[in-house]
Amino acid sequence: NAGVTQTPKFRVLKTGQSMTLLCAQDMNHEYMYWYRQDPGMGLRLIHYSVGEGTTAKGEVPDGYNVSRLKKQNFLLGLESAAPSQTSVYFCASSFGTARSYEQYFGPGTRLTVT
Amino acid sequence: DAKTTQPPSMDCAEGRAANLPCNHSTISGNEYVYWYRQIHSQGPQYIIHGLKNNETNEMASLIITEDRKSSTLILPHATLRDTAVYYCIVRVGGTSGSRLTFGEGTQLTVNP
Repeated sequence: NAGVTQTPKFRVLKTGQSMTLLCAQDMNHEYMYWYRQDPGMGLRLIHYSVGEGTTAKGEVPDGYNVSRLKKQNFLLGLESAAPSQTSVYFCASSFGTARSYEQYFGPGTRLTVT
Repeated sequence: DAKTTQPPSMDCAEGRAANLPCNHSTISGNEYVYWYRQIHSQGPQYIIHGLKNNETNEMASLIITEDRKSSTLILPHATLRDTAVYYCIVRVGGTSGSRLTFGEGTQLTVNP
């Protein structure tokens, strides 16, 4: 049982480049989340999904897109990276509504945009 | 959501119990107490949660006072790997798109 895994672990992008971050979970969780965490700051929710084929915006969705084609995978895309998107990105998953605050996190992807 | 207050830092000797307090005096009847921790450079880790009864799992115990205005997370035999920032969160049971927000938390340092 690997829990929540994220790829890649590190990435350096130039301004304007695009990339996709992959999150996978093997706990059969319904809900999945993408957060970003800037140095010394708390988590900010980018997008989330309450089931396969559904996505919704969090508090900081601009500049990002997501897709949940399979229940176990949640992809985060940056179409045109900007230095302001330099951050650590965490994926999380949880069971449905009643347990949605019991979230399990991946190890993070450290992204630098130059 | 109820506001929580935690001490900014605590120290604990390795092998001893670590008792981390949290005040949540404005908690309402349907709000749960959740505890998370974040070890440096790692993803946050769910520890435990409870409503009004004391709870125990393989990681920790959660003691909630009878009036539910405060709680204590207990790590029974702290190890160096338990050094982390611990967050107490109070939330209603859950809604779609439940966004976790961490306050300042308590930096627990376990010393050899």
